[in-house]
This record gives sequence, structure tokens and C-alpha cells, in this order.
Amino acid sequence: DVKVTQSSRYLVKRTGEKVFLECVQDMDHENMFWYRQDPGLGLRLIYFSYDVKMKEKGDIPEGYSVSREKKERFSLILESASTNQTSMYLCASSTRDRGYNQPQHFGDGTRLSIL
Amino acid sequence: AQKITQTQPGMFVQEKEAVTLDCTYDTSDQSYGLFWYKQPSSGEMIFLIYQGSYDEQNATEGRYSLNFQKARKSANLVISASQLGDSAMYFCAMSDNTDKLIFGTGTRLQVFP
Repeated sequence: DVKVTQSSRYLVKRTGEKVFLECVQDMDHENMFWYRQDPGLGLRLIYFSYDVKMKEKGDIPEGYSVSREKKERFSLILESASTNQTSMYLCASSTRDRGYNQPQHFGDGTRLSIL
Repeated sequence: AQKITQTQPGMFVQEKEAVTLDCTYDTSDQSYGLFWYKQPSSGEMIFLIYQGSYDEQNATEGRYSLNFQKARKSANLVISASQLGDSAMYFCAMSDNTDKLIFGTGTRLQVFP
């Protein structure tokens, strides 16, 4: 089974701090994704990576950056955390071996609170 | 533009009954995929079922089936013989020849005894 592991289930940080959310997958997937989830808005894509050191902006990249130095690890960075970044953050991965339209496999999520 | 619409914010169903969760989509692509995910209160997103746009038969996975009506652009999830453990948020999602998924806003299902 695919295992996507996010480093923290719950995280509390202060406004202005630099925050790192880490995600690791063990299935050698090419694609990795970061989403944020807010009530009534569903999941919104922040950033996407289809290879090491490659990244693509999603729908809401402002205030975030990402890093993918190794295939299995994809980090989301909040450069200067703000209260409007309080949310649930979900990491996912998927394969490219069988072309497009593949399911994504998700981690357990990180509930981030910015005070 | 691609879009997924789930019009039911919440649904109730009695244990052992069947329930249908609605999903409509909009895309101009001929090749696309439709997905359903379950999110329990603990937060993890669990992949349930997939339907390809060229699949002629409706997808089934255990108690889950996807009622795919291409002309109506609908991909409803049917859960048969509901169980208390089915209480969760359910998200419909679509990809249209990309690696990315577009999600609906979700339906909260509550199963009561």
C-alpha cells in the first residue's frame, strides 16, 4: 500500500514565523502535491511537483513556497506565517507510470494554527 | 473551465440502507477520470473508486459503485448497505488529461442506527 507521511498532525505557530511542513512518500511516485482544505471550499491546490527540483504553481500559491530535493520528499514552506494560513494541509502523491488520470494518495493531514 | 459540483452539503441515511451522493462535472475534454474520496473526522483522505471516461461499465468496489451518466455529466456515488463507519465527508474529484485533480466542496454523510 502507498504510504504518505506528513511530519505533524497538529502544529501551532506564531505570526511571522517561517513554517515547514514535510511530506514523505514510499512508493517512488513522480508527482507530489500540497493542498489546503477549508470548510465549504473543498481542497485547493497550492503547489505541485512532477519531478525532483521541479515545481508548478497551483490555484493559491501566494504566501507559500515548496522544495523537492529528493523524489520521496516534498516540503511546503510558509515564509512568514499569517493568521489567514490557519488551515488543514494535505499532501498527496501519484504515479505517472500509467499516464494521466491516476488517483492521488494522501497523508493524514496537518492541522496548522497560526496565532 | 473544469468544474466539479456537489450540491448536497449534508445527507442522512439509516444504517443498512443505500444512499446516493450526487456529483456533476464540467469539462470539454473527451478523456478524463472521475474519483471519489472519503474523509473521516480524523482527517485522512481515502481513495474509494475511479471511473474513466471511456469505461463503458460503471465502476464498483465492494459496497461502493459509481453511477456514471456521461451525457448528463454526472458521476454519483452509491453506497449500499450503509454502516455507521461510513459517516464522513465525501469528495468527488476529476482529472482531465493532467496529473492534477479538481475537487468538489464535499458532502457530509451521517449514518444513524
